[in-house]
Amino acid sequence: NAGVTQTPKFQVLKTGQSMTLQCAQDMNHNSMYWYRQDPGMGLRLIYYSASEGTTDKGEVPNGYNVSRLNKREFSLRLESAAPSQTSVYFCASSSGTANYGYTFGSGTRLTVV
Amino acid sequence: QKEVEQDPGPLSVPEGAIVSLNCTYSNSAFQYFMWYRQYSRKGPELLMYTYSSGNKEDGRFTAQVDKSSKYISLFIRDSQPSDSATYLCAMSAAGGTSYGKLTFGQGTILTVHP
Repeated sequence: NAGVTQTPKFQVLKTGQSMTLQCAQDMNHNSMYWYRQDPGMGLRLIYYSASEGTTDKGEVPNGYNVSRLNKREFSLRLESAAPSQTSVYFCASSSGTANYGYTFGSGTRLTVV
Repeated sequence: QKEVEQDPGPLSVPEGAIVSLNCTYSNSAFQYFMWYRQYSRKGPELLMYTYSSGNKEDGRFTAQVDKSSKYISLFIRDSQPSDSATYLCAMSAAGGTSYGKLTFGQGTILTVHP
């Protein structure tokens, strides 16, 4: 049982380049989330999808877009990467609400130079 | 002011010590309280889950929630080097704008040395 799978695990981008972070879950969860983690800042919500076909902004959505491709997959796109987007990105999923906790992926370490 | 405050540490203790990790929060709508453990270069994993006030014990771990003080704690007894990790508190509401979303503390870095 893979749980939540994120690709790629590492990425280096030049300022202005674009890329898409992929996330897939095999637990039949309805809700999916993208977080970024920075030193001293904890986990901050970028976007979330409460169910297939819906997406909503979180705390720090600027510079990002998302797509809930189907129930399993939720991707995060950086259209024009900036050094401030250097971070570790985590995808997570939950069964219906967050009240019983999330299952996290292993993260994508992104460096923008 | 952040909705959830957690002392980032770092905290360094000898093996066998009792560890106390704490978070305070400001949103009185929070009803569900969790602790996640995150090893270096890994994703967070759910460690403890508590609904509303009270205590919950699981092996060497005890989670406490005091809603009247808006304060939650995680105690680790007989700490082991394998407990060295970052511990994140997280909480969510039963309704309102926070419904369905977890709000995390900044995380406390714990090192247990032999």
